[in-house]
Amino acid sequence: GEDVEQSLFLSVREGDSSVINCTYTDSSSTYLYWYKQEPGAGLQLLTYIFSNMDMKQDQRLTVLLNKKDKHLSLRIADTQTGDSAIYFCAETLPSGGSYIPTFGRGTSLIVHP
Amino acid sequence: KAGVTQTPRYLIKTRGQQVTLSCSPISGHRSVSWYQQTPGQGLQFLFEYFSETQRNKGNFPGRFSGRQFSNSRSEMNVSTLELGDSALYLCASSLGSGTIEQYFGPGTRLTVT
Repeated sequence: GEDVEQSLFLSVREGDSSVINCTYTDSSSTYLYWYKQEPGAGLQLLTYIFSNMDMKQDQRLTVLLNKKDKHLSLRIADTQTGDSAIYFCAETLPSGGSYIPTFGRGTSLIVHP
Repeated sequence: KAGVTQTPRYLIKTRGQQVTLSCSPISGHRSVSWYQQTPGQGLQFLFEYFSETQRNKGNFPGRFSGRQFSNSRSEMNVSTLELGDSALYLCASSLGSGTIEQYFGPGTRLTVT
């Protein structure tokens, strides 16, 4: 099975909050990331959280980490149509002095008026 | 500061041919990583280069290779192309090996016919 799992689709109304969930399998994961990918573009790093943290807030984005359940979530407050994109979570493991990410399949967020 | 650039953006090749993709990192960044993105396998790590040395390698056959030059620019090469190599190839740069934040380029869309 997948190392990192995400639901494939999420549909929300403009102005509502969006919550995108992710589960990972390796308890040794050091950093956990959220990336955004718009059509025809590469990945944009949205935010990341270190494994010894429970929560991180950055403007409209809130990341929650539950290490016991290996569950990561991204909450987007006041979701706008410009937030429509694919969101990837990734866990990273240290390797050779670097951090190698393993990505989920991505969640397509659709924001409708 | 200019972002990560990848050339070419689109490429069509025939089975059995080889291809070389190029990535120019953000100025001052010394680490370059490559990823393959396909609908079937998602985003997968190919390799990472730092100071002209390969630091990490993903689980890909030897047909996939890369190198990094003294100016940190990187190339990846795929020999004996197969239909399954059709993908979006993404390059990401970071300040150094072990840096948390990676910045992605727009990718090269490779189609193998």
